[in-house]
Amino acid sequence: GDQVEQSPSALSLHEGTDSALRCNFTTTMRSVQWFRQNSRGSLISLFYLASGTKENGRLKSAFDSKERRYSTLHIRDAQLEDSGTYFCAAVPTGFASALTFGSGTKVIVLP
Amino acid sequence: NAGVIQTPRHKVTGKGQEATLWCEPISGHSAVFWYRQTIVQGLEFLTYFRNQAPIDDSGMPKERFSAQMPNQSHSTLKIQSTQPQDSAVYLCASSLADSGNTLYFGEGSRLIVV
Repeated sequence: GDQVEQSPSALSLHEGTDSALRCNFTTTMRSVQWFRQNSRGSLISLFYLASGTKENGRLKSAFDSKERRYSTLHIRDAQLEDSGTYFCAAVPTGFASALTFGSGTKVIVLP
Repeated sequence: NAGVIQTPRHKVTGKGQEATLWCEPISGHSAVFWYRQTIVQGLEFLTYFRNQAPIDDSGMPKERFSAQMPNQSHSTLKIQSTQPQDSAVYLCASSLADSGNTLYFGEGSRLIVV
């Protein structure tokens, strides 16, 4: 949606390298969630953040706690299985409860 | 925990026919969401329920689309008089609460209208 601007739209990286994805929000967000969509189309939740940072293995995500206007997802030591389309999604502050999704980043990890 | 279950996984229907998609949320989850995914529009919110009550249907097309949640174990999305532009993957998701918890998605129902 217009509220969630995700970049880059596509990313190729070699095994063992690091990279970062970013989502900018046009309004303050209450929380953010990152997903990876695999080749079968399944959306797998990676992180849910209301603030701060979370880390899981080689993935780390951060949500700007002060302005609540952006979030990042870092991939460290990329592996082939990290390939997929990554989506960020966020809930605006206020009464809304449904996630608004970004347009996704297609990540290809090359051997 | 079987996750969110959606049926059918694939459906091909003729223009003008009705299509009904089913979703079984994760047991104990009080919030159920429906989204639609197309290449052009990406992931679009359609509607959601909390404790079976409809809360926000702002994403639902005004005509031909309806959603219900008759009990806590399933929700349906019905499309009447289907049109080719309704072709999409329809995704159902559930969470423990509506905005403060992780959202878990089913594998989706791919609808093709010919």
